[in-house]
Amino acid sequence: GAVVSQHPSRVICKSGTSVKIECRSLDFQATTMFWYRQFPKQSLMLMATSNEGSKATYEQGVEKDKFLINHASLTLSTLTVTSAHPEDSSFYICSARETSRETQYFGPGTRLLVL
Amino acid sequence: AQSVTQLGSHVSVSEGALVLLRCNYSSSVPPYLFWYVQYPNQGLQLLLKYTTGATLVKGINGFEAEFKKSETSFHLTKPSAHMSDAAEYFCAVINNAGGTSYGKLTFGQGTILTVHP
Repeated sequence: GAVVSQHPSRVICKSGTSVKIECRSLDFQATTMFWYRQFPKQSLMLMATSNEGSKATYEQGVEKDKFLINHASLTLSTLTVTSAHPEDSSFYICSARETSRETQYFGPGTRLLVL
Repeated sequence: AQSVTQLGSHVSVSEGALVLLRCNYSSSVPPYLFWYVQYPNQGLQLLLKYTTGATLVKGINGFEAEFKKSETSFHLTKPSAHMSDAAEYFCAVINNAGGTSYGKLTFGQGTILTVHP
């Protein structure tokens, strides 16, 4: 149980294009999902917290117009990197948590490369 | 505010040797603590967690950790390392104190474990 999937696993795009990453909880309902970014050889940096049916809460320094988050259902959250630039290249990981449960379950990550 | 410090960014052991990965935390409320493992180009997998109750927690793959409040520590151990244990390990504490940061994980810097034959 507690499986979280991400799609795509890796994506290469041209500078200026937008990329959408999906995060799905496969066997539980996730009222809260989190989006992280991980640079090489570094820890995870929380970008935003996504609650189903409400606006995402962004961490300080994260541009909400750049990283659009939608949590339209209890099993799906999406992160759209708008007008991507090479500096947006990174490993993006989502996690999901059930209501009133403390454990976050992580997706396998999405490797984004912007050329 | 909460924080996590992992002592040692790299730990190297021989196969069959004891694994000890250190984690110290800072929290103004009773912490919930986690250890996650990350293999290259993959997400994080939960190894074990401490919330309340027994302070010695057993997880998957033979790992265990002990919560020591007096030392503000949650070190991860495994009696005998296996080659497949080579990965990066993250200690984390969750904010369960309420407020806008409620439910957020704070990660340590990570420790890369290398296992030699």
